Amino acid sequence: EPEVTQTPSHQVTQMGQEVILRCVPISNHLYFYWYRQILGQKVEFLVSFYNNEISEKSEIFDDQFSVERPDGSNFTLKIRSTKLEDSAMYFCASGTSGGAWETQYFGPGTRLLVL
Amino acid sequence: KQEVTQIPAALSVPEGENLVLNCSFTDSAIYNLQWFRQDPGKGLTSLLLIQSSQREQTSGRLNASLDKSSGRSTLYIAASQPGDSATYLCAVWGTGANSKLTFGKGITLSVRP
Repeated sequence: EPEVTQTPSHQVTQMGQEVILRCVPISNHLYFYWYRQILGQKVEFLVSFYNNEISEKSEIFDDQFSVERPDGSNFTLKIRSTKLEDSAMYFCASGTSGGAWETQYFGPGTRLLVL
Repeated sequence: KQEVTQIPAALSVPEGENLVLNCSFTDSAIYNLQWFRQDPGKGLTSLLLIQSSQREQTSGRLNASLDKSSGRSTLYIAASQPGDSATYLCAVWGTGANSKLTFGKGITLSVRP
């Protein structure tokens, strides 16, 4: 069964460093999402992406964040200058439609630790 | 702003028990409500999706109901098994400015053999 994959599974970085989290969505999906889950907290929506542009973004998704689909398979989340509070599990998800009509498929997550 | 609440935060039951997990949401303007399962350190797996026009969905031993007007959903698990131990998350896909998945904090279920 097709699945969403994410790399790396864990990343440790120093505060102020740039990180890029990578995702390979399911191949025929057109909608892509990033969520994060701070330890012990709710899963929070960050951004949705369709047709090579951002569809929606949350107030969390500020200028330090960016997303890109650099080729036909990868979907990346970049954090330009990491802060301690960026430490979280980051989940990528994808879907065939815009989410209102069918579920999203989540990857296993990247655990980011900012020191 | 949509808020999703799941109470209690944790639940422990003996194997074989039928159980109900509750979810409430503040804004009834939703397109759908979904239940997810999350195993420790893992991603989210979709269990059931109920469109706003539907009242319930069933998959195997799971049954989810939706009462949109009162802002409530329940996930019923029949004949619970130790393998059902996980965190169960409720999420709603809203309309307008809430066109995204808004999650509850989850209920951590432990099924004792």
